[in-house]
Amino acid sequence: EDQVTQSPEALRLQEGESSSLNCSYTVSGLRGLFWYRQDPGKGPEFLFTLYSAGEEKEKERLKATLTKKESFLHITAPKPEDSATYLCAVQGYSSASKIIFGSGTRLSIRP
Amino acid sequence: DTAVSQTPKYLVTQMGNDKSIKCEQNLGHDTMYWYKQDSKKFLKIMFSYNNKELIINETVPNRFSPKSPDKAHLNLHINSLELGDSAVYFCASSPAYLDRREGALHFGNGTRLTVT
Repeated sequence: EDQVTQSPEALRLQEGESSSLNCSYTVSGLRGLFWYRQDPGKGPEFLFTLYSAGEEKEKERLKATLTKKESFLHITAPKPEDSATYLCAVQGYSSASKIIFGSGTRLSIRP
Repeated sequence: DTAVSQTPKYLVTQMGNDKSIKCEQNLGHDTMYWYKQDSKKFLKIMFSYNNKELIINETVPNRFSPKSPDKAHLNLHINSLELGDSAVYFCASSPAYLDRREGALHFGNGTRLTVT
């Protein structure tokens, strides 16, 4: 069965302090790995799709990377507005259109 | 110009009642979903429709019945509500089905259901 595990559960950083969020996954044939951002009281907002090991995607202060077993979301010199919950999700070839989400990392950036 | 809109945003009701949540998307997408987010923020898929056809029907009680009158709408009807149904329900749509773009889901802002 496809699974996604995210760590840490929560992360508090000082503004400008770079760090990484981890997403470990098991899937029978990766169709895609996805990162989302969720603000309180809102629906998740799509950030990136990664398809194969070695692939990287960037958006402003965020960079997502992918290996065969895990993905990292690197945040460089974060600002308070980057505070949110970051969700990782995977879709496997054997699971039709089922997209499986992890439980997220709650990121807080202190000014 | 909201892309995926859900109504109502909040729903407070008593055990045993029947309620509906409505969802509409104006993105022209063919695939729509219902997800449930529990108190630990874990998003779990419930149903998926592609072009009005039911594609995914996860192991949810048959008190939950989705209905898709057309590909822009996916409603969720819940009969005989129970305390454990309290959660946030998200509607989402996708630009493709069984395609690499499928994971780029567009979510509504959720309906917080509280059953007392």
